[in-house]
Amino acid sequence: KQEVTQIPAALSVPEGENLVLNCSFTDSAIYNLQWFRQDPGKGLTSLLLIQSSQREQTSGRLNASLDKSSGRSTLYIAASQPGDSATYLCAVLGRGSTLGRLYFGRGTQLTVWP
Amino acid sequence: DVKVTQSSRYLVKRTGEKVFLECVQDMDHENMFWYRQDPGLGLRLIYFSYDVKMKEKGDIPEGYSVSREKKERFSLILESASTNQTSMYLCASTDRFNYGYTFGSGTRLTVV
Repeated sequence: KQEVTQIPAALSVPEGENLVLNCSFTDSAIYNLQWFRQDPGKGLTSLLLIQSSQREQTSGRLNASLDKSSGRSTLYIAASQPGDSATYLCAVLGRGSTLGRLYFGRGTQLTVWP
Repeated sequence: DVKVTQSSRYLVKRTGEKVFLECVQDMDHENMFWYRQDPGLGLRLIYFSYDVKMKEKGDIPEGYSVSREKKERFSLILESASTNQTSMYLCASTDRFNYGYTFGSGTRLTVV
């Protein structure tokens, strides 16, 4: 069974820092990987989706990379802002899973203080 | 903008009640999912459906059932609510190519 681990579990930084959030998965046979953001008491908002054939995706200040062979993905946040404070979740979709079942990490809780 | 809409943000129900959580998506997606999220346990899959009238059990289906009579609507049913079903419930959908999940805003259910 696929297992997804996110490190660190929590991170607190001052505004303006560049951040790296890490995600690792045990089975490298993935179809795609998705990063989500979750604000307290809210649903999940999709940030970036990386297909298995891709190495990275970028959206504004966010950049996500994927190294399938080592079972790792990183989410890079440039010039962090207090509005980036949230929990960030990584999820992978395995190959052969025609029913679209995602496996989630436990998340990294990010706090950016002014 | 595409959307997954959950009918209630907050619900308070009594033990033993039958509870219906509704989810509607406007993206013509084939696959729909129900998760619950609890502190320290992460997201756990309850049920999913890949077509109208089709359903599959996830990891924690006990105490729940689902209904999908129309493609856009996926309902989660708590047959007899119990306090251990107090949780955040999240609905999601994806197309048949599994190109990314879209989640609803969640329903915080409290069973008293």
